[in-house]
Amino acid sequence: DGGITQSPKYLFRKEGQNVTLSCEQNLNHDAMYWYRQDPGQGLRLIYYSQIVNDFQKGDIAEGYSVSREKKESFPLTVTSAQKNPTAFYLCASNGRWEFNQPQHFGDGTRLSIL
Amino acid sequence: AQSVTQLGSHVSVSEGALVLLRCNYSSSVPPYLFWYVQYPNQGLQLLLKYTSAATLVKGINGFEAEFKKSETSFHLTKPSAHMSDAAEYFCAVTLPNSGNTPLVFGKGTRLSVIA
Repeated sequence: DGGITQSPKYLFRKEGQNVTLSCEQNLNHDAMYWYRQDPGQGLRLIYYSQIVNDFQKGDIAEGYSVSREKKESFPLTVTSAQKNPTAFYLCASNGRWEFNQPQHFGDGTRLSIL
Repeated sequence: AQSVTQLGSHVSVSEGALVLLRCNYSSSVPPYLFWYVQYPNQGLQLLLKYTSAATLVKGINGFEAEFKKSETSFHLTKPSAHMSDAAEYFCAVTLPNSGNTPLVFGKGTRLSVIA
């Protein structure tokens, strides 16, 4: 079955450490997204990519970095510059809206500070 | 820029009662609108979407929503709540013919169902 796989499900970060969250999709979607979810704040967009080798900052990109070297993969790195990384991170992808293709989500990665 | 407002961060209903979750949008052109559901520690699952066809949209699990342009609303309803409906619900908006413009999400409404 097609879908989005996020790994790991739980991740712990030490002070000053960079960590990378994996997101892989086999839906042949051009667009991929990273969201951060905190209680009571809904989903906030970190980065998105509409095509391979291109990506744009979302609303809260500071302290994060991404790459899009392959259509299937959109890893997110939480850098040491992100001082409050504890959150639930969701990856999503979709085809074009006008082709009636909704956004699909992975099951998330929960990141905590050690 | 488009936006959505979900009225009520927490809604509580009795089992068997009507579920009504409110969503109002702001958009310069008729938008595409979506409702998603999230169960604890999981991703979001699409419940239904409005993409400028019928204004009354039926989704999964017995949910439906009606697009009302005059009220800029897209409220989610279900005639009879079930315990399994307890979850968080998100309304989202994007612009049609916009390629892959990101969705803009509301802050969510947590639905509790009381036995």
